[in-house]
Amino acid sequence: ETGVTQSPTHLIKTRGQQVTLRCSSQSGHNTVSWYQQALGQGPQFIFQYYREEENGRGNFPPRFSGLQFPNYSSELNVNALELDDSALYLCASSLTGMNTEAFFGQGTRLTVV
Amino acid sequence: RKEVEQDPGPFNVPEGATVAFNCTYSNSASQSFFWYRQDCRKEPKLLMSVYSSGNEDGRFTAQLNRASQYISLLIRDSKLSDSATYLCVVNRGQGGKLIFGQGTELSVKP
Repeated sequence: ETGVTQSPTHLIKTRGQQVTLRCSSQSGHNTVSWYQQALGQGPQFIFQYYREEENGRGNFPPRFSGLQFPNYSSELNVNALELDDSALYLCASSLTGMNTEAFFGQGTRLTVV
Repeated sequence: RKEVEQDPGPFNVPEGATVAFNCTYSNSASQSFFWYRQDCRKEPKLLMSVYSSGNEDGRFTAQLNRASQYISLLIRDSKLSDSATYLCVVNRGQGGKLIFGQGTELSVKP
């Protein structure tokens, strides 16, 4: 167990709806990153939060947004869901720094119908 | 072109075989390198970090060639439990901004 927990584990939404995914980071970790993993692909970096501020963003549209709270937990919000948003969403927590290990939660499997 | 590219899979090998995975990365500013393992429908887990000097952990050996921007993973004496997807990962910046390859699936058969 990594100590990183995500909720919910599975979710089904309708196209056009909004969704919020949650992540509790490992104790002591101040950095949270979110990734999207489509079937048969590697995880794609969405964005990272450090001390409640966005600290880098991947190639995702603005309808993907996030928050980090003072306890370092985080949320990923996706508005106007599209069918292609169906994927495994992974949260990873780490300490800031170049070679620190990122610990992943078990993921939230989102299906958009 | 993807920033991190891996050998296409799947690799189907018998138990006891030696298997090698290759990976190239395009951003010369990449700072740190890893191999992650992902079991079916589970989260990725760090297998090992990769250093220019090469590093070994039991049956696993990883190599990095910065000049060629090439990373490799060698698995000796494959076990059934090695069956998984192996992800080549590069860190371009601080913290956990990881860039993943698409992964190579390994299936070890009895």
